[in-house]
Amino acid sequence: GENVEQHPSTLSVQEGDSAVIKCTYSDSASNYFPWYKQELGKRPQLIIDIRSNVGEKKDQRIAVTLNKTAKHFSLHITETQPEDSAVYFCAADRGETGANNLFFGTGTRLTVIP
Amino acid sequence: DAGVIQSPRHEVTEMGQEVTLRCKPISGHDYLFWYRQTMMRGLELLIYFNNNVPIDDSGMPEDRFSAKMPNASFSTLKIQPSEPRDSAVYFCASSLMAGYNEQFFGPGTRLTVL
Repeated sequence: GENVEQHPSTLSVQEGDSAVIKCTYSDSASNYFPWYKQELGKRPQLIIDIRSNVGEKKDQRIAVTLNKTAKHFSLHITETQPEDSAVYFCAADRGETGANNLFFGTGTRLTVIP
Repeated sequence: DAGVIQSPRHEVTEMGQEVTLRCKPISGHDYLFWYRQTMMRGLELLIYFNNNVPIDDSGMPEDRFSAKMPNASFSTLKIQPSEPRDSAVYFCASSLMAGYNEQFFGPGTRLTVL
């Protein structure tokens, strides 16, 4: 099965700085890579996703990059704000080619220091 | 739509008791997922259903765990008998279709087994 590894487990940045979270996956058939944000005591919510036919995707201050050859993808948050503080999970899925089964990384706790 | 609904939000029970967690997916969503979240193991998929049929239950930890989906608007996750190591937050999620699809999570049920 798929194995998703995520680093770092914790990350602290000053407000306004950038944050980068990295994930690797093992199943070369995976082709859908969403990122979920979970605020303290809340449910995980999708913030951005990328498919394997795209190398990069941006949405305002958030961007995700994908390197299928190396089997890794990253989340980039620029101009961080205190409300970005949360736990971020990466995930991998085979998308249309397989079962609808997300494999999650272990999460990164991001703290943005005002 | 109210989103994915879970009940109860909190459950405290004693070891050996039966626990039943409930979920109502978003109307029209064909896929329903049960996850368990702990500090040690992160987000784990327990089982998922497609059109009320269980597709993959390989994540169900033991025979003490069972899940049903009698109709498109209701699912249960049952633990019998419960043990202290079952203490976790249990999330239900639903998605519209297979692959490339956002999973919408419910608010979770925080289970404590004493």
